[in-house]
Amino acid sequence: DAGITQSPRHKVTETGTPVTLRCHQTENHRYMYWYRQDPGHGLRLIHYSYGVKDTDKGEVSDGYSVSRSKTEDFLLTLESATSSQTSVYFCAISEGVQETQYFGPGTRLLVL
Amino acid sequence: GENVEQHPSTLSVQEGDSAVIKCTYSDSASNYFPWYKQELGKGPQLIIDIRSNVGEKKDQRIAVTLNKTAKHFSLHITETQPEDSAVYFCAASITGNQFYFGTGTSLTVIP
Repeated sequence: DAGITQSPRHKVTETGTPVTLRCHQTENHRYMYWYRQDPGHGLRLIHYSYGVKDTDKGEVSDGYSVSRSKTEDFLLTLESATSSQTSVYFCAISEGVQETQYFGPGTRLLVL
Repeated sequence: GENVEQHPSTLSVQEGDSAVIKCTYSDSASNYFPWYKQELGKGPQLIIDIRSNVGEKKDQRIAVTLNKTAKHFSLHITETQPEDSAVYFCAASITGNQFYFGTGTSLTVIP
């Protein structure tokens, strides 16, 4: 497996609280992504990064923000969690545009 | 944005038979089509991909075909084995790093 870790792996939180998920890579890949996976929707892109401090929105970015201060770390923040953000979140990395994406093990988030 | 539809949502085959999963896409500008396999409790893993300048690609028991005119692409798995049981996702990319995924096909190979 590519060197990708996600933390935490499981989290339960309450509506209205802030939540930060972390993705860490040891592959030195330039591109990093955050997806959410929900039944009936497959995977949907939230945000992605094409370099340190360079990020862009994906298909479902509302309610989420990201930051990338180092090549190896990509953080996803839910400023005020809602029940609709209950999902499994996957981080992915790739060396280049339209190159193979390697996915992390996922974070299961439950917002009560 | 792009819309990717995937069928069937579930598929059961006998071991040794072939399995075919089909995806259609809406934006003719899409030019990269990866397929992912996801096992229970794990992240998706790329199994094969195809670019718009190629009509077919094969890797051992797995093949992908692309029909740009009809805007559909298919995954073919031959001589299926129990370890092929998983959820398979197709995806389409127009350019850059925006990938649009299908809703997944749960494949069960019956020994």
